[in-house]
Amino acid sequence: DIQMTQSPTSLSASVGDRVTITCRASQSISIYLHWYQQKPGKAPKILIYAASSLQSGVPSRFSGSGSGTDFTLTISSLQPEDFATYYCQQSYSTPRTFGQGTKVEIK
Amino acid sequence: QVQLQESGPGLVKPSETLSLTCTVSGGSVSSDTFYWSWIRQPPGKGLEWIGYIYYTGSTNYNPSLKSRVTISVDRSKNQFSLKLTSVTAADTAMYYCARDSVVVPTDYGMDVWGQGTTVTVSS
Repeated sequence: DIQMTQSPTSLSASVGDRVTITCRASQSISIYLHWYQQKPGKAPKILIYAASSLQSGVPSRFSGSGSGTDFTLTISSLQPEDFATYYCQQSYSTPRTFGQGTKVEIK
Repeated sequence: QVQLQESGPGLVKPSETLSLTCTVSGGSVSSDTFYWSWIRQPPGKGLEWIGYIYYTGSTNYNPSLKSRVTISVDRSKNQFSLKLTSVTAADTAMYYCARDSVVVPTDYGMDVWGQGTTVTVSS
């Protein structure tokens, strides 16, 4: 299985801050990497697919980058509705695997 | 737009079989560009992929659950289903169905999710 490791596990930030979350794969996965946002009691929602493509309807303050083993999700200016848990997921091979999640909390 | 809706018992006894169905609306399980997946999330924990099915009936399961999992598709009802046998308390989780992309040529990820259904394993 490909292991996905996110860092940090949690972070505290203020509205307007620039936030960066990283995801590292245990082997190269090209750009088969997606980012999801999950709010309490809700299903995950895809933000970024194929490492850097913004899902339709997702605000442009979200961006993704990377290829191979190292990937980044950036929120350029954190908004109140962005406080949530974020997961990366690889689709390079099965079993599909997710990172452990990064909880973004209000500072 | 495409919507997914999970249904099934919310309480299952230990050693019995968990059975859930995902109904697809606004789209077709017979599409050749998607896999139809099940994912679960134990309380307070992360996401675990259970497996997926293609419209042809071809399946792919997580090896950690493979001996207990069956995913099937009913194209006439536009549904796909999950069966998990010999459940224990460790199978207590929120269960989601989701649409996953076949890479042709772009992988769009799991772009549509159901709202999830809570399954508790308890006597």
